[in-house]
Amino acid sequence: EPEVTQTPSHQVTQMGQEVILRCVPISNHLYFYWYRQILGQKVEFLVSFYNNEISEKSEIFDDQFSVERPDGSNFTLKIRSTKLEDSAMYFCASSESTGELFFGEGSRLTVL
Amino acid sequence: LAKTTQPISMDSYEGQEVNITCSHNNIATNDYITWYQQFPSQGPRFIIQGYKTKVTNEVASLFIPADRKSSTLSLPRVSLSDTAVYYCLVGYSSASKIIFGSGTRLSIRP
Repeated sequence: EPEVTQTPSHQVTQMGQEVILRCVPISNHLYFYWYRQILGQKVEFLVSFYNNEISEKSEIFDDQFSVERPDGSNFTLKIRSTKLEDSAMYFCASSESTGELFFGEGSRLTVL
Repeated sequence: LAKTTQPISMDSYEGQEVNITCSHNNIATNDYITWYQQFPSQGPRFIIQGYKTKVTNEVASLFIPADRKSSTLSLPRVSLSDTAVYYCLVGYSSASKIIFGSGTRLSIRP
């Protein structure tokens, strides 16, 4: 069964460092998403991406965040200068136009 | 986007049927209702989606009344492995901003 894969599974970084989280969506999907979940809290929408551009973004997705689909298969989330409060699980998801999102297993980011 | 309201938590026992109700009073005409399940440290997983009346798959049933202002996820004969957080989402099928609410934390006991 096709699945969304994410790397790394866990990354520890120092505050102020840049982090890139990588995702390989399901190959025939057209919509891509990033969500984050702070420990014990709900799943929060960050950004959606379609046709090589951002469709929607939340207020969390400020200038420190960016997304890219560099090579037609990977979908990346970059955090330019990490803050302590960026520590969370980051989930990538993809979908066709059916509304069913397929999530990856997540990348746990720990900012020290 | 329609806001959803669900119970914060529910408890049940193995073998019981569990019904989780979600209120979405401001649902729009072209909105679908979708439920996801999330285990700790895992991404949410699609359970079921519907527009009106009743939808059933191998995992659950979804009941939607005629006014569509609420929906009920029904899990038949739950087991310990059904312990998870269940999210109700409302939006149109090709929406690009899909928002999760707080979800219902379901605990199943032996």
